[in-house]
Amino acid sequence: NAGVTQTPKFQVLKTGQSMTLQCAQDMNHEYMSWYRQDPGMGLRLIHYSVGAGITDQGEVPNGYNVSRSTTEDFPLRLLSAAPSQTSVYFCASSYSPLSAKNIQYFGAGTRLSVL
Amino acid sequence: GQQVMQIPQYQHVQEGEDFTTYCNSSTTLSNIQWYKQRPGGHPVFLIQLVKSGEVKKQKRLTFQFGEAKKNSSLHITATQTTDVGTYFCAGPRAGGGADGLTFGKGTHLIIQP
Repeated sequence: NAGVTQTPKFQVLKTGQSMTLQCAQDMNHEYMSWYRQDPGMGLRLIHYSVGAGITDQGEVPNGYNVSRSTTEDFPLRLLSAAPSQTSVYFCASSYSPLSAKNIQYFGAGTRLSVL
Repeated sequence: GQQVMQIPQYQHVQEGEDFTTYCNSSTTLSNIQWYKQRPGGHPVFLIQLVKSGEVKKQKRLTFQFGEAKKNSSLHITATQTTDVGTYFCAGPRAGGGADGLTFGKGTHLIIQP
């Protein structure tokens, strides 16, 4: 049971490039989300999804797109990378969006540098 | 919007000393979760508290949820080097759990042998 798998683990981009961070979970979880982690800022929610075909914005959605065509996959797209998007990105999933069952399982993270 | 604040940001302790981190929310929470992140790792779920005044223990870790369900604490007794990491609290965003979690900024626990 792999849990939440993120690829790539590391990425360096030039300003203006686009890329997709991949996230897949094999736990049949309804709820998936993307966070970014910056020093001193904790984890900030970018986008989330309560099920296939449904996505919504979190705290810091600008510059990112998501889609959820299947239960398993929740890719995060950077449309035109900027240095401010240098961060560690974590994908997480949980069984249900209901509060009592919203325990998050995190992937190992993608460390992104934008030059 | 809802804010979840954690203090202290950093805590240096000698191995064997106790450690406490505090979490305060600007709004009443339906539940609160705690996560631990080892250096270079990813957050790992520790516990969820749901009831007002709830206290739960995991070996040397004691978690409390305030009576008003707006604050929480994590206390570690007799710290060990394996306790090193960042401890986060998290609560449902305003609007309920379906809107995701809001995390505190975390408390970095640094242990000197």
